[in-house]
Amino acid sequence: GQQVMQIPQYQHVQEGEDFTTYCNSSTTLSNIQWYKQRPGGHPVFLIQLVKSGEVKKQKRLTFQFGEAKKNSSLHITATQTTDVGTYFCAGSPLNDYKLSFGAGTTVTVRA
Amino acid sequence: NAGVMQNPRHLVRRRGQEARLRCSPMKGHSHVYWYRQLPEEGLKFMVYLQKENIIDESGMPKERFSAEFPKEGPSILRIQQVVRGDSAAYFCASSPFPGEGEQYFGPGTRLTVT
Repeated sequence: GQQVMQIPQYQHVQEGEDFTTYCNSSTTLSNIQWYKQRPGGHPVFLIQLVKSGEVKKQKRLTFQFGEAKKNSSLHITATQTTDVGTYFCAGSPLNDYKLSFGAGTTVTVRA
Repeated sequence: NAGVMQNPRHLVRRRGQEARLRCSPMKGHSHVYWYRQLPEEGLKFMVYLQKENIIDESGMPKERFSAEFPKEGPSILRIQQVVRGDSAAYFCASSPFPGEGEQYFGPGTRLTVT
């Protein structure tokens, strides 16, 4: 079955620094979604990418969907304490509705 | 427009008891998904339901677990004869369409089995 893998599992970042988290799928995806879950909270949708090579930005967050539609990345610039949480990618294979979630990247920020 | 609602938010059960988790999707959403999240882990798909139909239960254990989404009322995830390994956060999500666009998550039910 489809597997979605994320690296790194943990990211400890100095406030103000940049970091990137990566998402890889074993199969081609129709779309990739990113969610953020704050400690003790529930996943909240951030963005969806559909097109090959697509890049979308939300303020300090940049999301990219690979050309082969099998990988994605989230890059955060100038990390702030509000960025703390776990970031999940989730993808649907072609001709399927089911979202498979990665294990997430848990981000902590040193002030 | 209220979001996805889940209750109870916290549930404590002794081994062998039954747990019933409820989920009311967003208004206008007819697609409901249940996920389980163990501590420090990602979300594991359990079951996908539309009104009165189970579409995909491939992620749900064959025994003790069942789910329904009746014509009227919330979706129910039922766990019979709970064991300690069932302790987890159970999230429900809903969407207006299957497989496209975001899923809206509820606040989750944290189940603790003692």
